Amino acid sequence: DIVMTQSPDSLAVSLGERATINCKSSQNLLSTSDNKNYLAWYQQNPGQPPKLLIYWASARESGVPDRFSGSGSGTDFALTISSLQAEDVAVYYCQQYYNTPWTFGQGTKVEIK
Amino acid sequence: QVQLVQSGAEVKKPGASVKLSCKASGYTFTSYAIHWVRQAPGQRLEWMGWIYVGKGNTKYSQKFQGRVSITRDTSATTAYMEVSSLRSEDTAVYYCARDCDTGWCYFDHWGQGTLVTVSS
Repeated sequence: DIVMTQSPDSLAVSLGERATINCKSSQNLLSTSDNKNYLAWYQQNPGQPPKLLIYWASARESGVPDRFSGSGSGTDFALTISSLQAEDVAVYYCQQYYNTPWTFGQGTKVEIK
Repeated sequence: QVQLVQSGAEVKKPGASVKLSCKASGYTFTSYAIHWVRQAPGQRLEWMGWIYVGKGNTKYSQKFQGRVSITRDTSATTAYMEVSSLRSEDTAVYYCARDCDTGWCYFDHWGQGTLVTVSS
């Protein structure tokens, strides 16, 4: 199975500041056949299901604010919130869909400093 | 709008089975796969299996092979997952999620989740 490891486990950022979450996969997620990275990011609030933010490592889902961006390729990826808002307090997960079983990172909790 | 509405919370004894449902609306049910993902308390999200609704093909995580069965009723636009031989470690919130439009990728819509509690 592909192991997804996020860092840090939690971070506290001041309102309006940048937050960056890292995600490392144990195997390459870049497909040579379509040149796409099979990596998604989700946001989860307490008691709610995950919500898709980013797919193909850097494509933003419709309706997601443009302060959220994804980057990286191969085995190293990042989710950046350019200017943290109060409503961004949540747990964020990366997920690989390159191979079954689909696997997720352990989650990163983002809080306000 | 796309909606996945799951059945209500369940309390089961160890060794029992549970069958969860996920009713889809707002899109062509047979054109997308449905995945099942669970989240135990304090644990990461864990993929359990999927069904390609159109053909009924299924694939399961090896961890759950033989203990999980995913089916669908296209006339009812509903997917089901049955988990047998329940143990306390199966206590979790179970989610259904829709695969993306091209298939074999990310999950673009999720159900609200069903809490399953396994306790004697």
